[in-house]
Amino acid sequence: DVVMTQTPVSLSVAIGQPASISCKSSQSLVGTSGKTYLNWLLQRPGQSPKRLIYLVSKLDSGIPDRFSGSGSETDFTLKISRVEADDLGVYYCLQGTHFPLTFGSGTKLEIK
Amino acid sequence: EVQILETGGGLVKPGGSLRLSCATSGFNFNDYFMNWVRQAPGKGLEWVAQIRNKNYNYATYYAESLEGRVTISRDDSKSSVYLQVSSLRAEDTAIYYCTIYGYKHWGQGVMVTVSS
Repeated sequence: DVVMTQTPVSLSVAIGQPASISCKSSQSLVGTSGKTYLNWLLQRPGQSPKRLIYLVSKLDSGIPDRFSGSGSETDFTLKISRVEADDLGVYYCLQGTHFPLTFGSGTKLEIK
Repeated sequence: EVQILETGGGLVKPGGSLRLSCATSGFNFNDYFMNWVRQAPGKGLEWVAQIRNKNYNYATYYAESLEGRVTISRDDSKSSVYLQVSSLRAEDTAIYYCTIYGYKHWGQGVMVTVSS
């Protein structure tokens, strides 16, 4: 199975400050199509997960451009340029390239 | 608007079975693969199963930890997907989410509690 190692486990960030979350996979996430199926999800307290980014860096509609995704092969990063109160929750990376699909263990973002 | 509604959860005794349903609307269900993902209380997300569409012969894939105890199925005429789980254990206690391939759209989840 592809292991998704997500760091840090938690993050406390003041409003307006940047945040960065890392996700490293145990093998390349480049699929046979040449696409890299790496997603970032946010789960706010008491809610279902919500996708923010797909294919490493493509922002979902309605997601502010304060969020950005980058990376390749096995090394990926989610960045928030300026954290807002609404950003609190648990962030997960999800790889969809290999079965079984696997998630990172999550990063809890708290507002300082 | 895409809508996903899971039903069928509840309290089940160890060793029992349960069939979860996921009714969808707002998109062309026949075109999409469907997934079940679960989340144990206070824990992270765990993929459970995927079923592909008719073009892919309704191929199914399962998490190894559940293989042999779960069956995913779909009814394209009802835009619905199902998850049958048997030989339930305490560690199967979780919220079960239905999600469309691509993982943009998720249901609100349904709670399954396995306890005597």
